[in-house]
Amino acid sequence: NAGVTQTPKFQVLKTGQSMTLQCAQDMNHEYMSWYRQDPGMGLRLIHYSVGAGITDQGEVPNGYNVSRSTTEDFPLRLLSAAPSQTSVYFCATGSPKNGYTFGSGTRLTVV
Amino acid sequence: GENVEQHPSTLSVQEGDSAVIKCTYSDSASNYFPWYKQELGKRPQLIIDIRSNVGEKKDQRIAVTLNKTAKHFSLHITETQPEDSAVYFCAVWNFNKFYFGSGTKLNVKP
Repeated sequence: NAGVTQTPKFQVLKTGQSMTLQCAQDMNHEYMSWYRQDPGMGLRLIHYSVGAGITDQGEVPNGYNVSRSTTEDFPLRLLSAAPSQTSVYFCATGSPKNGYTFGSGTRLTVV
Repeated sequence: GENVEQHPSTLSVQEGDSAVIKCTYSDSASNYFPWYKQELGKRPQLIIDIRSNVGEKKDQRIAVTLNKTAKHFSLHITETQPEDSAVYFCAVWNFNKFYFGSGTKLNVKP
């Protein structure tokens, strides 16, 4: 039982490159979400999903795409990376009834 | 959307003292209020939570109080220890979204 697994842990991209951050959970939760964490700004919601096939935007969705084809996986795609997307990214899953669990994070640097 | 404010941004206490962190929110429809502890370089970890039908909840040295009328909730840590040093975040659940406070860096001096 791994909980929430994020890959990769670290990534360096050049401006304009694309990549996908992976998030997988084995907790059978319907709700999954992506956050970015910048110094002094707490955690900001990028996108979330309330179940397979359903996604919606959070506070800071621009520059990111998501899809939810299965309950277990919720990948986050950066189509054309920009230096402003340098951040630590966390995936989280759970519910208000059961609490929320965060993945270990992906530290992304865009140069 | 929801607006969450957290104070103070930094808090320094002596070991054994109490620490209190407060968060305010704007939408009375918000109904779930967790607190997270984040150590340097690690993921946020849930330490305690409270739902809108409860006024107070305790778990050993940690407690959370909720005032729905005033729209604020607070984290109380008693008998602080050096291992309590970390960044603490409050969060508010509102219509399928979590809104986080900006964090409080707690430093417990031995």
